[in-house]
Amino acid sequence: ETGVTQSPTHLIKTRGQQVTLRCSSQSGHNTVSWYQQALGQGPQFIFQYYREEENGRGNFPPRFSGLQFPNYSSELNVNALELDDSALYLCAGGGRGEQYFGPGTRLTVT
Amino acid sequence: DQQVKQNSPSLSVQEGRISILNCDYTNSMFDYFLWYKKYPAEGPTFLISISSIKDKNEDGRFTVFLNKSAKHLSLHIVPSQPGDSAVYFCAASAMTSGTYKYIFGTGTRLKVLA
Repeated sequence: ETGVTQSPTHLIKTRGQQVTLRCSSQSGHNTVSWYQQALGQGPQFIFQYYREEENGRGNFPPRFSGLQFPNYSSELNVNALELDDSALYLCAGGGRGEQYFGPGTRLTVT
Repeated sequence: DQQVKQNSPSLSVQEGRISILNCDYTNSMFDYFLWYKKYPAEGPTFLISISSIKDKNEDGRFTVFLNKSAKHLSLHIVPSQPGDSAVYFCAASAMTSGTYKYIFGTGTRLKVLA
């Protein structure tokens, strides 16, 4: 049990639509990171939030954006969905020495 | 450019024997490394970490070894159990401008045979 939960579990969207994925940390981790995991690949870093500010970003376009709230919950927003956005989206809370992942949201874009 | 590589996509080991999972990296600025295991339909589970000031870290059946000169780390599982069957990922990070991000390898699927 990592104390990190994500919702929804699965989601199907149409190309061009927008989606919001949610993450909450029961342990109150003040740093949250979001990752995209395509089939057969390792997780790819999207961005990290620390105390409600973006604190590092991977090679993802601006249509991937996020928020972190005072209660350390977080959202990942993706605009103008593309077929290649189909993946497992993971959030992780914790510090540099330990990152605890949630179960992920499986997004399918058709 | 894959900065973190797990060159063995799969590994089979007999129950009770040692499992050795390998990971190579190219960025000499990496100074923190994590190992995860992942079951299907679950998020990765943190196993063990090591910082570059150490060359070994042990936690129960899991030991991670770091060879900085070779830019290589390995995870040893002794003894291996059927429940260890999963995909294992290594991840590495460097501190840059006050922030860090983890780069993951592509994973090694471990199968422990009963």
